[in-house]
This record gives sequence, structure tokens and C-alpha cells, in this order.
Amino acid sequence: GEDVEQSLFLSVREGDSSVINCTYTDSSSTYLYWYKQEPGAGLQLLTYIFSNMDMKQDQRLTVLLNKKDKHLSLRIADTQTGDSAIYFCAESPRNQGGKLIFGQGTELSVKP
Amino acid sequence: DVKVTQSSRYLVKRTGEKVFLECVQDMDHENMFWYRQDPGLGLRLIYFSYDVKMKEKGDIPEGYSVSREKKERFSLILESASTNQTSMYLCASSPYRDRTEAFFGQGTRLTVV
Repeated sequence: GEDVEQSLFLSVREGDSSVINCTYTDSSSTYLYWYKQEPGAGLQLLTYIFSNMDMKQDQRLTVLLNKKDKHLSLRIADTQTGDSAIYFCAESPRNQGGKLIFGQGTELSVKP
Repeated sequence: DVKVTQSSRYLVKRTGEKVFLECVQDMDHENMFWYRQDPGLGLRLIYFSYDVKMKEKGDIPEGYSVSREKKERFSLILESASTNQTSMYLCASSPYRDRTEAFFGQGTRLTVV
């Protein structure tokens, strides 16, 4: 079945790098996504990676994809207090009408 | 910018009431979704729709129904609200069936007492 797993909490110091990890089960997903949820708000698409890529970099964000191990990670360089939020990874299994399967979310806490 | 608007930020309802949560998107998206979010469980899909009058059950449809009479509007209905339906409800829309960059509303926090 489909399942996406994340650890629930991560705490880092301002200026350090943060790495949020995710494992998924459905290898048919064409795209894998990272969403960010700030307190009291809905989810916002942060970045995504096409399944035939190993890495994608976008300013402070680096996404790594290991298809063999079905492992996805999000690295945030020079983490700031404004990065404190919940981060969700999501997969979209092929031929399921656009359904998104989310992980439990990782709450990132950035300490000054 | 895509805008997904949920009709209420906060709702308090009594057990047994019929509850309607409304969601409207303004970008002519094909797909619309309803999720509920609970701490430690992430987002769980209740129902989704990929066309007007079409609906598909998600992972937790029990106790819920949906309506999509117009492309821009997707309603979630709690037929008889119960306390275990107290949660944050999130609506989303996306433009394509196989590429699902979903855009979310701000959420409705529903409390059933």
C-alpha cells in the first residue's frame, strides 16, 4: 500500500543546516513534493522533484532523491528562525487521479 | 496567484448537526481535495474530485460526503457531526491529473461539542 513516513520533530540552531528525511512506498510516483505549513496557515508548495532526477537545488533548498531506497530528503542551508514550520513530504501515485499522499509532517524548530 | 478559499476559519458545532464546509478555487483547476489534519497523523485524504459531479473516496470517507456541482466549488458535508470529527480541515485544488502541485486553502478548524 501507499505510505509516507517522516520523523516528527527536528531542532536546529540558527545558521546550521537542517535535513528533513522522508521515505515513501509507491515507486510509480512521477513527482515528489515538499510542502511547508506555517502556524495557523494552510500548506504551501515549497519545491518538488521529478522522479528521474537525483537532486534539485533551489537557493537554500536542496532536494535529494534515492529511488532505489525510496528516500527523499530536504536540506535547508543557513536555517533561519523564519524557517520554523511543519514540513510535509508527499507522493502522487500514478493513475490515481491526482491523489497526494502525505507524511505525518516534521516540525522544525530553529533556535537563535 | 491561485486562490483557494474556505468559507470559515473556525467553526463550533454540536454533536448530531449536519455541517457544511465550503471551498472555492478561482483558477479553473480540474482536481479538488478535502483532507483532515491531526497532530502526528499528517494529512489524510477524505474525498477528492477530478471533474464536476465526479467524486472518489479517499482513505477516511466514513461519516463524510461531498458535492461538486460547479467546477470551482467543492463542499464537504458531515452528515451527523461527532466529537471524533473535531479536526483541521484543508481543501486543495490542482490543475492536472498526473501532476499534482496542489494549492491549499487556509484551513477550517472544526470543533464538535
